[in-house]
Amino acid sequence: AQSVTQPDIHITVSEGASLELRCNYSYGATPYLFWYVQSPGQGLQLLLKYFSGDTLVQGIKGFEAEFKRSQSSFNLRKPSVHWSDAAEYFCAVEPDNNNDMRFGAGTRLTVKP
Amino acid sequence: DTGVSQDPRHKITKRGQNVTFRCDPISEHNRLYWYRQTLGQGPEFLTYFQNEAQLEKSRLLSDRFSAERPKGSFSTLEIQRTEQGDSAMYLCASMTSLDYEQYFGPGTRLTVT
Repeated sequence: AQSVTQPDIHITVSEGASLELRCNYSYGATPYLFWYVQSPGQGLQLLLKYFSGDTLVQGIKGFEAEFKRSQSSFNLRKPSVHWSDAAEYFCAVEPDNNNDMRFGAGTRLTVKP
Repeated sequence: DTGVSQDPRHKITKRGQNVTFRCDPISEHNRLYWYRQTLGQGPEFLTYFQNEAQLEKSRLLSDRFSAERPKGSFSTLEIQRTEQGDSAMYLCASMTSLDYEQYFGPGTRLTVT
């Protein structure tokens, strides 16, 4: 079945440590790929997106993501996490540019002081 | 530009009642999307409009759900004969067809008792 998988439901990292959030998808062709962040009481905010081209994508707030076709993955990374990064992170794909965006179940990030 | 707004932010209703939510997109955005998000899950696509035309509906959108965007600006989502399973956060997003970034509103949290 076609799906978006975020294997980690909850991750805890120390402030200043590096972060990697995993995302895998199972669609035949390369879909459009996105990462969103959702803070409590806030709407989802787009961190970055990948359509084609350079497989390393830079986003806002110091985040980046790397598309790996062979692994059907689009993992989100940040070299040094800040306390304000604590939030829920969602990977999303849009297969075939058909305006039907599919979201993963999300990864909740906790940042320890 | 005040962003995407949704009204009300919270709604508590009794099973069997009808409810209506409103979404005001960013003014120049011609596309408008509705999603549903339940606890511990990512948003699920419900439907989208391009201007006033409803171009796609998910199979999740049962016949108790109806959405309109009469003048291509604000949109309403109505749920008739609400059921406890309708309890969720209902998210609205908008975008232009030129820039592939959906801007999300804060959502309307529906609780059906």
